[in-house]
Amino acid sequence: QLQLQESGPGLVKASETLSLICTVSGDFISAGTYYWAWIRQPPGKGLEWIGSMCHGVATFYNPSLRSRVTISVDLSRNHLSLQLTSVTDMDTAVYYCARHSRLNSGNNWFDPWGQGTLVTVSS
Amino acid sequence: EIVMTQSPATLSVSPGERATLSCRASQSVSSKLAWYQQKPGQAPRLLIYGASTRATGIPARFSGSGSGTDFTLTISSLQSEDFAVYFCQQYSDWPLGTFGLGTKVEIK
Repeated sequence: QLQLQESGPGLVKASETLSLICTVSGDFISAGTYYWAWIRQPPGKGLEWIGSMCHGVATFYNPSLRSRVTISVDLSRNHLSLQLTSVTDMDTAVYYCARHSRLNSGNNWFDPWGQGTLVTVSS
Repeated sequence: EIVMTQSPATLSVSPGERATLSCRASQSVSSKLAWYQQKPGQAPRLLIYGASTRATGIPARFSGSGSGTDFTLTISSLQSEDFAVYFCQQYSDWPLGTFGLGTKVEIK
């Protein structure tokens, strides 16, 4: 059964870098058959796609965040990582990882999702 | 960017009644529309993809319809576990999938 679990600091200081890890079990990021995504949800608000990557194929970012975001992978640990630089209080949100689209399928929904982790940016 | 608009923002329904939720896209997304359910403190769960196909394990009381710009999620007879927030997401504009702001279904 595919499961995803986010982890990382719950508190980040303004202007610093937010770093999160998504541990994937039940599938292998190295297979290069799916895109894997980060999505966030500010408290009480809607969902925002941050970016997606497929190992060995491509990485895409939301244009609104592209200048500050890096998504990478640690294949030895089957981890997906997110880095977001120069954070402000607008970056306070629950951050989710999710499996995104199967390569070249057009099935670009998100399923399943991790439980999410709340990151608060403090000033 | 394709903007998704959901209505109403809140829907008050009695258990056993039907709930009808709407989602409108700012431009045609064909049938590339998904619906998610989110309960408090939980991650979103995929309900519907392709505008009308139920995901694995989703009860038949959930149904989706529509194409182009107008979509509907119907819950035929609300159960206690169905009170939640529902989001629509277009995935026509790869990879920039955009979500609506959600409809909260609450107990009347």
